[in-house]
Amino acid sequence: QLQLQESGSGLVKPSQTLSLTCAVSGDSISGHGYSWSWIRQPPGKGLEWIGYVYYDGNTYYRPSLESRVTISVDKSKNHFSLKLASVTAADTAVYYCARVMSSATQRFDPWGQGTLVTVSS
Amino acid sequence: QSALTQPASVSGSPGQSITISCTGTSSDVGGYNYVSWYQQRPGKAPKLIIYDVISRPSGVSNRFSGSKSGNTASLTISGLQADDEADYYCSSFTSSVTEVFGGGTRLTVL
Repeated sequence: QLQLQESGSGLVKPSQTLSLTCAVSGDSISGHGYSWSWIRQPPGKGLEWIGYVYYDGNTYYRPSLESRVTISVDKSKNHFSLKLASVTAADTAVYYCARVMSSATQRFDPWGQGTLVTVSS
Repeated sequence: QSALTQPASVSGSPGQSITISCTGTSSDVGGYNYVSWYQQRPGKAPKLIIYDVISRPSGVSNRFSGSKSGNTASLTISGLQADDEADYYCSSFTSSVTEVFGGGTRLTVL
C-alpha cells in the first residue's frame, strides 16, 4: 500500500526558502499515470493546491505562486520535493504531499499526514 | 484561479440526507468529469471519498454519492451518521492543467 511522508524544516525565517521532501514507500514514484503534488492548508482555512509534477513530465503550478515555487522528483530516492522561495507569514500552513492519479482520471490519493511549516523570525 | 464555491456549513440529523454543492465554471467543473470530494476530520489529512464526479474508492461507504449538472457538482450523504461530521472539500481539474479546490463545507450532525 502506497504511503507518503513529508519531512523538512518546521520553522523558516521570512524571505528564506521553504524546503520539504515527500518520501514515497510501497510503490515506485515512476509508476505510469502518476503525478505528484503539494497542497497546503493555512491554519483554520481551506485547502490550496500548490502544484504538481505531472505524469507527462511537465510541472504545473498555482498561478499566484508560480514565480516562487519549484516541485521536482528524484527517482533514485523515490521521493519528490517542494521549494518555495521568499516566504512570508502568509506561507505558514500545514503542507501535504499527495499522489495524483492522472491518466484518464484525476484524483489525489493517498495523502501524507501533513507537516506544519511556520514562517517567523 | 478562483476557488470553487461551496456553502460554508450544512447540518442534518442522524438518518437524514444532506447535499453539498460545488460551483465552478466551464473551465473546470463544467468542462471535465474530474471532480473529486475529500473528507477531512480535525487534525487529519484529507481522505478521498468521490472521484471523477460519481466514482467511489474501494472501502468508502455507498452512503456517499456524487453528481454534476452544468458547472455545479454535488456530494450527497444519505443515512447521516455522527461519524460523518467533518469538513468536506471538492476539487476539479482545470483547462490550464491545474487543480482548484473549493473553500470547504463544515458538516454538523445535530
